[in-house]
Amino acid sequence: DGGITQSPKYLFRKEGQNVTLSCEQNLNHDAMYWYRQDPGQGLRLIYYSQIVNDFQKGDIAEGYSVSREKKESFPLTVTSAQKNPTAFYLCASSPGHPVNSGNTIYFGEGSWLTVV
Amino acid sequence: QQQVKQSPQSLIVQKGGISIINCAYENTAFDYFPWYQQFPGKGPALLIAIRPDVSEKKEGRFTISFNKSAKQFSLHIMDSQPGDSATYFCAAIAGRRLHSGSARQLTFGSGTQLTVLP
Repeated sequence: DGGITQSPKYLFRKEGQNVTLSCEQNLNHDAMYWYRQDPGQGLRLIYYSQIVNDFQKGDIAEGYSVSREKKESFPLTVTSAQKNPTAFYLCASSPGHPVNSGNTIYFGEGSWLTVV
Repeated sequence: QQQVKQSPQSLIVQKGGISIINCAYENTAFDYFPWYQQFPGKGPALLIAIRPDVSEKKEGRFTISFNKSAKQFSLHIMDSQPGDSATYFCAAIAGRRLHSGSARQLTFGSGTQLTVLP
């Protein structure tokens, strides 16, 4: 089945530790995204990538890093510089075609990160 | 600066009633407006979407009404059911060209938690 797979579903991080969230898509989408969701605040864009080896900061990129070495993979690293990382993280992808074609963004099932 | 304002934050309706969620935007560069439905612990799923050259779009019990001059759009859920209980996000997309093509950022509203009572 085509879709976006995020792993792990639940992850615990100790203070000062870096952790990496995995995101894989087999939809052959060009663009991929990472969002953070906190209660009552909707979704905020962390990073996005339109093509392999290219990515751009979103609204809340500080304390996060990404890579896009393969079209189907867009891992997110939450570094120790992110002071409040406990949240629900959502990976998404889109075909990257012009919007008039009616394409939009599709989400994975999310990953819960908790600092312990 | 919040670019898409969504209201209400929470909504409770009786089974069979009409649920109405409103969104407003300011950036005229937005040119596609999807709605997402999210159940607890799951990723948002695309529900219905509209372009600004259309004033209304209906899919089953879900209807988007769009007022371009007022820069407002709303989601109407007719005959609301307990299974519709979820968080609903409106969103707006602005096409943006990068050096090697185009990428679209999606700006979300803050979400509405809908509860449909049996």
